[in-house]
Amino acid sequence: AQTVTQSQPEMSVQEAETVTLSCTYDTSESDYYLFWYKQPPSRQMILVIRQEAYKQQNATENRFSVNFQKAAKSFSLKISDSQLGDAAMYFCAYRTPNFGNEKLTFGTGTRLTIIP
Amino acid sequence: KAGVTQTPRYLIKTRGQQVTLSCSPISGHRSVSWYQQTPGQGLQFLFEYFSETQRNKGNFPGRFSGRQFSNSRSEMNVSTLELGDSALYLCASSLTSGGTGELFFGEGSRLTVL
Repeated sequence: AQTVTQSQPEMSVQEAETVTLSCTYDTSESDYYLFWYKQPPSRQMILVIRQEAYKQQNATENRFSVNFQKAAKSFSLKISDSQLGDAAMYFCAYRTPNFGNEKLTFGTGTRLTIIP
Repeated sequence: KAGVTQTPRYLIKTRGQQVTLSCSPISGHRSVSWYQQTPGQGLQFLFEYFSETQRNKGNFPGRFSGRQFSNSRSEMNVSTLELGDSALYLCASSLTSGGTGELFFGEGSRLTVL
């Protein structure tokens, strides 16, 4: 079974600075999908960024980028120019490539605090 | 476009009762999945429905069940409630099933079992 580990329960960063959230996973599959989801205090989870394992290029979405190290099974999220609205719980998630399988396996989350 | 709607948002039940939670997906989305979120266990997958068929089920006892209607709306039911069932239940819908398809989450139904 796949597992996802987020070893940083809490992180804080000064506004406008850069922060990196860590995520490692364990799988025997060679193809899969990885995600970072954000859950603000209002609780609605939203997708931040996604990565296909067969793509070597790291995904980027505006101020958000990932460092995907397939051999190390590592998938960290970098947030540049942190803003107050980035404060939230961040969850790393894994999805198997099996067709029609919507199941996401989530990590335990990292609570990110932005210091003004 | 309306998002994923979950009802009720909050509810309180006592042990032994049953509860039904409802989820209306985004229009056009045919896949609906459910997750349980607790401080101790985190986010755990309950089940997924696509075109009224359950395609995947997580490791939960048979007290947890669900269904999907022809309009893609979904309900989940928990019977014989236990204290440990207190949680935030999240519903998510997606246009395509699997792959890099984005899940759109509702705000959740907060269940408290006394």
